[in-house]
Amino acid sequence: RKEVEQDPGPFNVPEGATVAFNCTYSNSASQSFFWYRQDCRKEPKLLMSVYSSGNEDGRFTAQLNRASQYISLLIRDSKLSDSATYLCVVTSVSGGYNKLIFGAGTRLAVHP
Amino acid sequence: EPEVTQTPSHQVTQMGQEVILRCVPISNHLYFYWYRQILGQKVEFLVSFYNNEISEKSEIFDDQFSVERPDGSNFTLKIRSTKLEDSAMYFCASRPDGTLRYNEQFFGPGTRLTVL
Repeated sequence: RKEVEQDPGPFNVPEGATVAFNCTYSNSASQSFFWYRQDCRKEPKLLMSVYSSGNEDGRFTAQLNRASQYISLLIRDSKLSDSATYLCVVTSVSGGYNKLIFGAGTRLAVHP
Repeated sequence: EPEVTQTPSHQVTQMGQEVILRCVPISNHLYFYWYRQILGQKVEFLVSFYNNEISEKSEIFDDQFSVERPDGSNFTLKIRSTKLEDSAMYFCASRPDGTLRYNEQFFGPGTRLTVL
C-alpha cells in the first residue's frame, strides 16, 4: 500500500467552481499533515498545514480525519491561478527529524 | 522574505561523472534535507541532516551519494558517479527549530540534473 495516496486527476473545472481533493495515508502514527502546491517544474510550496480541528485559509479549507487516515482539501471559487498540482504530505515519525512523505499529487486545471 | 537558494538551476553531465549540487538554506534554520523528483513522479526523500551529521537517509541514498555542510551557509549533495537514472529535479529544503514553526520545510527552486 502506498504511504500517501491521492487521486491523480486531472480535475478540469471552470472558474468559480468548488473542487475537493482527497488523500489517504497508511501510517496511523503520522504526526503532521500538509497540503503543498506545485507548479510545473517548480518547487513544492506550502499551501496550508492540516489540523485535527480542520482549518480554513480564505478560499481553502483542509480537514483531517485521523480515525480514517484521511485528509481533504476544498477550494472554493476557483481561480485560473489555482491551476497546479496539489500534493498531500505527511511527516514520518521515525527519528524525530520529520522527513516529508509526498503523495503523487492531484492535478487541477481551472479554465475560463 | 528569506528563501532557500540552489545552484546551478540546471546541470548536464555525462554518465560516470561526479556532480555537486549546492544549496544555501535559510540562515537560522537547523534541519536540512534533500529530496528528488524524477520527471512525472512524486517527490522522494533522500536525506536529512542535523547538527553536522546525517540523521536519516532513504534507500535511494546509497554510497554514491554524500552530503556536506562545508561552512556555515552551504549544504551540498554530491553524486560520485552519476547514472542515467539519477536524472531528476533535486530540491533542498530547510526547517527552523522544531519549537518554532513545527515541521514546516521551506524548499529551494531545485536543480535539474540531466545525465547523458
